[in-house]
Amino acid sequence: AQKITQTQPGMFVQEKEAVTLDCTYDTSDPSYGLFWYKQPSSGEMIFLIYQGSYDQQNATEGRYSLNFQKARKSANLVISASQLGDSAMYFCAMREGMDSSYKLIFGSGTRLLVRP
Amino acid sequence: DVKVTQSSRYLVKRTGEKVFLECVQDMDHENMFWYRQDPGLGLRLIYFSYDVKMKEKGDIPEGYSVSREKKERFSLILESASTNQTSMYLCASRYSGGAVNTEAFFGQGTRLTVV
Repeated sequence: AQKITQTQPGMFVQEKEAVTLDCTYDTSDPSYGLFWYKQPSSGEMIFLIYQGSYDQQNATEGRYSLNFQKARKSANLVISASQLGDSAMYFCAMREGMDSSYKLIFGSGTRLLVRP
Repeated sequence: DVKVTQSSRYLVKRTGEKVFLECVQDMDHENMFWYRQDPGLGLRLIYFSYDVKMKEKGDIPEGYSVSREKKERFSLILESASTNQTSMYLCASRYSGGAVNTEAFFGQGTRLTVV
């Protein structure tokens, strides 16, 4: 069964506008964490933001924030004030359990294109 | 800065060849991963190693094996390469050390073509 689902294969956003990239997950473990990564056309994977299941507040890192809705099992990435350099693939990933050595499972990704 | 280095950026191999993809990290990370990335499928976990000589199957281990004899090196082996193993292969490592929120660091990827 798909554990991480990203339903938007591709999205467009106008420069300087905000955009939300969707991520839903499936787990029965009460302890888990969600990661977002960015992959520009160069191919490198860049870590953006992390949200733990027990974190009381939504994570934020600069222009990135995570809209974490535990009951809905969603962890959407919000990018504010989009820039041309935000054009890339974005991946949501999940870890399960409290063990510090864990598998990291990824979704299928969303390709974001920022229009000037 | 953490560095994860994959031995080749591009590789072309023939069907039936035994192929070795090497990955080295320089930060003494316990955990290392091999993924393959295909359009529309995202990153799929092939194998995972949580420490030296330790390995665990991921979601798509068939046709692959791994070796982790030293902490810094994690090798992916295609025993008999087939055309359906043509893909981008990504290696990653992360520090565990009791922490659950540390991110994984990735190599630049190896684009393997099997002809």
